[in-house]
Amino acid sequence: GDSVTQMEGPVTLSEEAFLTINCTYTATGYPSLFWYVQYPGEGLQLLLKATKADDKGSNKGFEATYRKETTSFHLEKGSVQVSDSAVYFCALNSGAGSYQLTFGKGTKLSVIP
Amino acid sequence: EAQVTQNPRYLITVTGKKLTVTCSQNMNHEYMSWYRQDPGLGLRQIYYSMNVEVTDKGDVPEGYKVSRKEKRNFPLILESPSPNQTSLYFCASSLNSAHSNEKLFFGSGTQLSVL
Repeated sequence: GDSVTQMEGPVTLSEEAFLTINCTYTATGYPSLFWYVQYPGEGLQLLLKATKADDKGSNKGFEATYRKETTSFHLEKGSVQVSDSAVYFCALNSGAGSYQLTFGKGTKLSVIP
Repeated sequence: EAQVTQNPRYLITVTGKKLTVTCSQNMNHEYMSWYRQDPGLGLRQIYYSMNVEVTDKGDVPEGYKVSRKEKRNFPLILESPSPNQTSLYFCASSLNSAHSNEKLFFGSGTQLSVL
């Protein structure tokens, strides 16, 4: 079945540091890939997505590139801010006839001033 | 304002006492789903619904029931709650069941404690 593996957290960075959160996946067919973010006390919200190989999703300074050859969708940001402190979830939808998202376990990011 | 509304936000109950967590969306979405979030396990899907009167089990359906009598509502029912159902629950919806690149809209969550 489909699965998503994210790097273990928590991750603590200083403000303006470079961020990478690794995500790899296993899926049949050609999945769509997503990053969702959960700020403290809130529900998840979509951060970015990519629907085919070599697509790059981007939003709020975050980027992720859909790499089919390495089955990866790593999240990056060049300069993190305190307001980026949240839990980040990688997810996929294999699109095999029904809409079901498979989530990774989440990576907690804390950014300190 | 487009949103997914869950109630209650917090709930403490005792083992065996039936409860319902409500979920409503005002976006005319076809697809609705329930997840539970537990430390170290991420989000796991409980049940989902592709449209009115169409529901199916997710990865962890045991001990839960759902219904989809109207498009906007998708309540989660725990007939006889047990302590292992203590968790943070999220309802989510999406416009079109058939499109794999649609985004999910999430509610703010329901923190349930079963004593």
